[in-house]
Amino acid sequence: AQSVTQPDIHITVSEGASLELRCNYSYGATPYLFWYVQSPGQGLQLLLKYFSGDTLVQGIKGFEAEFKRSQSSFNLRKPSVHWSDAAEYFCAVGIGNEKLTFGTGTRLTIIP
Amino acid sequence: NAGVTQTPKFRILKIGQSMTLQCTQDMNHNYMYWYRQDPGMGLKLIYYSVGAGITDKGEVPNGYNVSRSTTEDFPLRLELAAPSQTSVYFCASRGGDSSYEQYFGPGTRLTVT
Repeated sequence: AQSVTQPDIHITVSEGASLELRCNYSYGATPYLFWYVQSPGQGLQLLLKYFSGDTLVQGIKGFEAEFKRSQSSFNLRKPSVHWSDAAEYFCAVGIGNEKLTFGTGTRLTIIP
Repeated sequence: NAGVTQTPKFRILKIGQSMTLQCTQDMNHNYMYWYRQDPGMGLKLIYYSVGAGITDKGEVPNGYNVSRSTTEDFPLRLELAAPSQTSVYFCASRGGDSSYEQYFGPGTRLTVT
């Protein structure tokens, strides 16, 4: 069965520092991969997605992610974080074209 | 364009009571989903629908029921509420195109005591 692992429950980063959030997946076919962000008390918003083609994908708010098939990974990066990036981040894998399986999330804290 | 709306925002139920969580989308999306979110557990799919009149179970359907009589609405019914159903519930929808992006509502926080 497909699964998504986000090994970091909580990450703290200084404002202006770079960020990398890890995501590993287990899925038998070519996956559709997503990163969503959830601000406190809000629903989820799509940051970026990968279906095929260029393995480095750009998203909103200055985020990017790289698909590495050999490592079954889809890590999210940002070169310089802002205080407004504090949120919870979820990686998800698409199953066929109907459903998503979500990871357990990584909570990001930004310190001044 | 309101997107996906959910009502109520908050609710407290007593054990054994029932209630319906409402979800409406105005994007003419075929696909709709109900998730529950528990701390440290991510989102778990309860039920989903690929179009009016069609529903299917997700990962955690026990204790819940759904219906899809129109494209716009996808209510989630809780019968005989239990403390284990204390959670935040999210409704989502997506179109039938190739973007696969799901659009989420703001959520309903439910407490069963």
